Amino acid sequence: GNSVTQMEGPVTLSEEAFLTINCTYTATGYPSLFWYVQYPGEGLQLLLKATKADDKGSNKGFEATYRKETTSFHLEKGSVQVSDSAVYFCALIPYNFNKFYFGSGTKLNVKP
Amino acid sequence: DSGVTQTPKHLITATGQRVTLRCSPRSGDLSVYWYQQSLDQGLQFLIQYYNGEERAKGNILERFSAQQFPDLHSELNLSSLELGDSALYFCASSVGLFGEQYFGPGTRLTVT
Repeated sequence: GNSVTQMEGPVTLSEEAFLTINCTYTATGYPSLFWYVQYPGEGLQLLLKATKADDKGSNKGFEATYRKETTSFHLEKGSVQVSDSAVYFCALIPYNFNKFYFGSGTKLNVKP
Repeated sequence: DSGVTQTPKHLITATGQRVTLRCSPRSGDLSVYWYQQSLDQGLQFLIQYYNGEERAKGNILERFSAQQFPDLHSELNLSSLELGDSALYFCASSVGLFGEQYFGPGTRLTVT
């Protein structure tokens, strides 16, 4: 079946610290992988995506690389800011299938 | 701003009642998706419509129904409401049948 597993939060970091949020998946075929971010009181926003193995998605200083061999899509940022405090969701769409599978979300708190 | 609009923003109603949530997709998007986000269940996919037709069904209760109209807006109807139906309901849209989704700001439903 298809599923996404994220590291449990909350993750609390100081400003300018390095961030990693782990995401692993199981899927049939070759899924597309996504990271969404949800700021307090708002809907989900697409942060980045990757559609094939070894692709690297990047946006706003965040990066994630599609690793087929480890079935992972870990989110990283070199230097977090207070404004990055949000909930981050890893998600996949199986190839040629229209349903999103979301992870449970990881809450990030960045302290000044 | 994703371009997806949802109304109302907040809704408070009593158990046993019926409510309708409305969603307008981004201009040009043919698919509309509905999700429920609650503290205990996380983000759950409910249903997808594509160009007026139901295309995928997730964990949607029989008390819930949806439709997509010729102008592509969609409505989610929730009936015989229970306390446990209190949640954030998100609508998302995408251009085609597959691919990344753009989320609306959500409707917060409180059942008392």
